[in-house]
Amino acid sequence: DTEVTQTPKHLVMGMTNKKSLKCEQHMGHRAMYWYKQKAKKPPELMFVYSYEKLSINESVPSRFSPECPNSSLLNLHLHALQPEDSALYLCASSQDPPVSNNSPLHFGNGTRLTVT
Amino acid sequence: QKEVEQDPGPLSVPEGAIVSLNCTYSNSAFQYFMWYRQYSRKGPELLMYTYSSGNKEDGRFTAQVDKSSKYISLFIRDSQPSDSATYLCAMSADQFYFGTGTSLTVIP
Repeated sequence: DTEVTQTPKHLVMGMTNKKSLKCEQHMGHRAMYWYKQKAKKPPELMFVYSYEKLSINESVPSRFSPECPNSSLLNLHLHALQPEDSALYLCASSQDPPVSNNSPLHFGNGTRLTVT
Repeated sequence: QKEVEQDPGPLSVPEGAIVSLNCTYSNSAFQYFMWYRQYSRKGPELLMYTYSSGNKEDGRFTAQVDKSSKYISLFIRDSQPSDSATYLCAMSADQFYFGTGTSLTVIP
């Protein structure tokens, strides 16, 4: 079991649906991340929140909308997705932002998203 | 040139073998190094992390960093079928950078 919890584990949605992915960590970490991972590829950074503020947005389409309600929670709101957005969406956290070079990244087990 | 280079394999070894997984990097700003194991349909699991050059050991795993050569390695001793997974190296600077992953199969 990981200390980063993601729900749901699986999600199937149509292109007109609106859904949300949720992530929670109780390690007191100050940075939280969303990554997208396609099969046989490394995780690809989408968003970084440092101290509950969005610090990095890697040119992600607006159909993905992140939200950080508090230091333990991270959401990813999905709307009007395309079939090519089907992937494993990983949430992660670290004690401090990566520029501090002093804390590793801890991943959840992901939400496997299928867009039909 | 990618920031982090990792041989994708696949790598297939008999049970009990010593496995060596490697990554090279080009950015001198990388100071913190991590190895992850990822089983199919799961998230990456943190195995080892280190800041320093030299070796760090944890059970059957040894992480080695050579900053002068910009080269990191993960050694797995007495490999087990349960070690069959994809292994990702990662490094941090302004964000985390990942290798492409090496697929390892340990044959009983």
